[in-house]
Amino acid sequence: NAGVMQNPRHLVRRRGQEARLRCSPMKGHSHVYWYRQLPEEGLKFMVYLQKENIIDESGMPKERFSAEFPKEGPSILRIQQVVRGDSAAYFCASSPGLTTGARDGLFFGSGTQLSVL
Amino acid sequence: GESVGLHLPTLSVQEGDNSIINCAYSNSASDYFIWYKQESGKGPQFIIDIRSNMDKRQGQRVTVLLNKTVKHLSLQIAATQPGDSAVYFCADANNAGNMLTFGGGTRLMVKP
Repeated sequence: NAGVMQNPRHLVRRRGQEARLRCSPMKGHSHVYWYRQLPEEGLKFMVYLQKENIIDESGMPKERFSAEFPKEGPSILRIQQVVRGDSAAYFCASSPGLTTGARDGLFFGSGTQLSVL
Repeated sequence: GESVGLHLPTLSVQEGDNSIINCAYSNSASDYFIWYKQESGKGPQFIIDIRSNMDKRQGQRVTVLLNKTVKHLSLQIAATQPGDSAVYFCADANNAGNMLTFGGGTRLMVKP
């Protein structure tokens, strides 16, 4: 039973390029969350999605960032025109959605380390 | 601001001793709490959770205590091992349950 799968593991982009981060939830999980982590800090919530729906994007920057979780395929976190301040570890988590959102517990992937040159 | 915070940024313990990591939360409406362990270069790993209708829950070598009166959460690790060295985060679910809010983390260092 595979866990949450994220790819790529490491992503290097130059300023102004686009970054696409992918996340496949655990089998049977229909809820996906994206978090961002800076070195030596806690995880900061970005967005919560269910299939084809954004439930809560209160932690997402208003510009350049978008997320989707299509009916088929992985969830995608997209960052357009990256800047150096976007450099961070981006973690995806999933939950089965049996109860309200995060109260089932979140299970995290290994993250994507984004480095912007 | 964060609804969850930690008292000590770094905790150093001797191998074999018990470890206690503390956490305070501010949202009295929070009703679900989780402890995660994060090793360097890895994602957070679920350790144990507790709901607000309980004040104690035990797992394998770990115990979580919840004191709703003072809004305090603790993680106890029995017979700490070198493999327990990591950063530990507490997190709580907000009212709508849409997300977990994480504290800043405590680094546990186990001395052989």
